[in-house]
Amino acid sequence: KQEVTQIPAALSVPEGENLVLNCSFTDSAIYNLQWFRQDPGKGLTSLLLIQSSQREQTSGRLNASLDKSSGRSTLYIAASQPGDSATYLCAAAHTGGFKTIFGAGTRLFVKA
Amino acid sequence: DADVTQTPRNRITKTGKRIMLECSQTKGHDRMYWYRQDPGLGLRLIYYSFDVKDINKGEISDGYSVSRQAQAKFSLSLESAIPNQTALYFCATSDSQTGRGRTQYFGPGTRLTVL
Repeated sequence: KQEVTQIPAALSVPEGENLVLNCSFTDSAIYNLQWFRQDPGKGLTSLLLIQSSQREQTSGRLNASLDKSSGRSTLYIAASQPGDSATYLCAAAHTGGFKTIFGAGTRLFVKA
Repeated sequence: DADVTQTPRNRITKTGKRIMLECSQTKGHDRMYWYRQDPGLGLRLIYYSFDVKDINKGEISDGYSVSRQAQAKFSLSLESAIPNQTALYFCATSDSQTGRGRTQYFGPGTRLTVL
């Protein structure tokens, strides 16, 4: 059974710092891995999706990597801003992308 | 306007009551999902539907039922609510045809409290 773990559970950094959020998964037979952002009172917003055949995806200040052999993905945020404060979830999808297992998330607080 | 909407956004009910949560989408996606989120835990899949005639149980379907009234509407029912069903419920959609890895798009969530 797939298990997805995110470390750390919470993180506080000063504005401008580069940071890495970690995600590990136990079953490497994934279809894709997705990073989401969750803001209080709102739904999840997809940030980046990495197909199983890809190694990384980039969007603006965000870069996500995928290493299936080690069961790890990282989300790199460059030059963090207070607006980046949110909970970040990773999710591993199987069999066509619909059976998705989520991690518990990392709560990020960026101090101005 | 939001592409995926959920009603109600908040609901407080009592043990034993029947509750229905509704989800509508204007994205034209064929696949729809219901998840619940509990504090400190990730989202867990309750039910998913590939189209109007195809509904499947997810990881935690006991105590829940669903109805796919149309491609754009997917409702979740709690037949007899119990306190441990207190959670944040999310509806999501995805498109099986895009070939873009089937990103899921989420509604804003319904916060349900069962007293």
